Amino acid sequence: EAGVTQFPSHSVIEKGQTVTLRCDPISGHDNLYWYRRVMGKEIKFLLHFVKESKQDESGMPNNRFLAERTGGTYSTLKVQPAELEDSGVYFCASSQIQTGAYEQYFGPGTRLTVT
Amino acid sequence: AQKITQTQPGMFVQEKEAVTLDCTYDTSDPSYGLFWYKQPSSGEMIFLIYQGSYDQQNATEGRYSLNFQKARKSANLVISASQLGDSAMYFCAMRGLTSGSRLTFGEGTQLTVNP
Repeated sequence: EAGVTQFPSHSVIEKGQTVTLRCDPISGHDNLYWYRRVMGKEIKFLLHFVKESKQDESGMPNNRFLAERTGGTYSTLKVQPAELEDSGVYFCASSQIQTGAYEQYFGPGTRLTVT
Repeated sequence: AQKITQTQPGMFVQEKEAVTLDCTYDTSDPSYGLFWYKQPSSGEMIFLIYQGSYDQQNATEGRYSLNFQKARKSANLVISASQLGDSAMYFCAMRGLTSGSRLTFGEGTQLTVNP
């Protein structure tokens, strides 16, 4: 069974440009999460999809970030326009259920560098 | 609100010895889960072990065990018989089991196993 995959693995863009990150969850996982780790700090939650619906987007930092999950399969996270403080590693995770004792399976992350 | 504190930015251990990685937490959720993830240099986040707040026994998974002390709000990870491949970043995380499915992470501990 394939794990969570993310594309690209690394992106370097200039301030003001747009970047789109993609996440493919494990097949059959309705729950998809985005997290990010900025500047060696703790990993922070961004948002949670259940199928194509946003269950919780309270962690999104501002309106320059837009997440979508059309059709309830893969998800994209767009940053427009990118700022220097957006640099970090963006992780995607998925799970089959969302309550009780279960783990979230993480992808390898996308390292975003904004110059 | 939930908070995870990992006070050891870096730890060193000799191969074949045991090591304890500290984690303390704070939450108002009456029921919660505690997780440890490993992140090797390749970047992927690997789930290691889970402890539920009402579990009577400390969780164990092979060489990993979780020293859960509820009154002290601590969930330390113990790795026995360290191997060179254990060198990685280790993250402690928690999730309130009745208040949503987001994970809250600590800042991580970088473990180095010396030959």
